[in-house]
Amino acid sequence: KQEVTQIPAALSVPEGENLVLNCSFTDSAIYNLQWFRQDPGKGLTSLLLIQSSQREQTSGRLNASLDKSSGRSTLYIAASQPGDSATYLCAVSGGGADGLTFGKGTHLIIQP
Amino acid sequence: DGGITQSPKYLFRKEGQNVTLSCEQNLNHDAMYWYRQDPGQGLRLIYYSQIVNDFQKGDIAEGYSVSREKKESFPLTVTSAQKNPTAFYLCASDFSGGNTEAFFGQGTRLTVV
Repeated sequence: KQEVTQIPAALSVPEGENLVLNCSFTDSAIYNLQWFRQDPGKGLTSLLLIQSSQREQTSGRLNASLDKSSGRSTLYIAASQPGDSATYLCAVSGGGADGLTFGKGTHLIIQP
Repeated sequence: DGGITQSPKYLFRKEGQNVTLSCEQNLNHDAMYWYRQDPGQGLRLIYYSQIVNDFQKGDIAEGYSVSREKKESFPLTVTSAQKNPTAFYLCASDFSGGNTEAFFGQGTRLTVV
């Protein structure tokens, strides 16, 4: 059974720093990996989707990489801002049309 | 605007009651999903549906029921058999096959009173 782990569980950094969030998964047979953002009491907002054949995806200050063979993904946030404060969730799809398997998230605080 | 609408945002349930959470999407997605989120845990899959009039149990289906009479709608009923229903419930959808981007609603927070 697929398991997804996110490290660190929580992170607090000063504004302006570049930072990396980590995600690992136990079964490399995935179709895609998706990064989400969740604000307190809200739903999930999709940030980036990486297909299994891709190595990375970029959107603005966000860059996500995927190393499928080693079961790892990273989310790089450049020049962090207080508005980036949220919980970031990583999820993988096995392609079996039975939903996503999620990590427990990284709670990120950007200090002004 | 295209998206997924969940209602209500907050729901209170008395012991022994059944309650139904609504989920509607106008993204023309084939597949719809219900997840449960508890503090300190990742999202867990309750039920999913790939086409109208068909649905499958997820990892934690006990005490829940669903229907899929229309492509746009996937309501979730939390029955009295669910022993610990207090949680945040999230509905999602994507194009069938599991290899496309998933979109989520804003969630319903259910509390047992």
